[in-house]
Amino acid sequence: KAGVTQTPRYLIKTRGQQVTLSCSPISGHRSVSWYQQTPGQGLQFLFEYFSETQRNKGNFPGRFSGRQFSNSRSEMNVSTLELGDSALYLCASDGTVETQYFGPGTRLLVL
Amino acid sequence: ELKVEQNPLFLSMQEGKNYTIYCNYSTTSDRLYWYRQDPGKSLESLFVLLSNGAVKQEGRLMASLDTKARLSTLHITAAVHDLSATYFCAVDGLETSGSRLTFGEGTQLTVNP
Repeated sequence: KAGVTQTPRYLIKTRGQQVTLSCSPISGHRSVSWYQQTPGQGLQFLFEYFSETQRNKGNFPGRFSGRQFSNSRSEMNVSTLELGDSALYLCASDGTVETQYFGPGTRLLVL
Repeated sequence: ELKVEQNPLFLSMQEGKNYTIYCNYSTTSDRLYWYRQDPGKSLESLFVLLSNGAVKQEGRLMASLDTKARLSTLHITAAVHDLSATYFCAVDGLETSGSRLTFGEGTQLTVNP
């Protein structure tokens, strides 16, 4: 079974721009979660989508948004980028009561 | 708000020694996970602990869960250099807090020859 894939792997943007990251879950998984990892704040939950609906949301500003398509692929968007948005963005998918499987991540640098 | 605390945050061990990493969490949950992260890489799933008293072992690592004490441990037996990595515990709040995984700060393990 192919794992979780994320594109792009690396991204450089400037302040004020917006960015869209993509995640394809493991085949058959309907839940996709997004996390942000920074040296200062650690790993933080952004949001989760299940069957095209946002099921849970972390404590992030409205500049962070996401969506899920009918094939379970998910995108997250960050508008009006700030320097502090520089991070590793991880996507994870899961089936039922098993663990969340993480993709390789997208490393975003905001200049 | 669910809080997850790990200790120690940094651990330097000699090869062949044993040690335990502790993970405390603040609210009721029956789903706890352990992950490993190598530098510059993503998270690799190690263990899923789904009930009180659960114990799982893989190679030199053994994880346990005490839901009454809200404590999980990751025990390392006869450490080898290949175990050097950062280890995270995470609690799933799907049934309780409306969040998914809340992670501990991570324990950076270095195994020295």
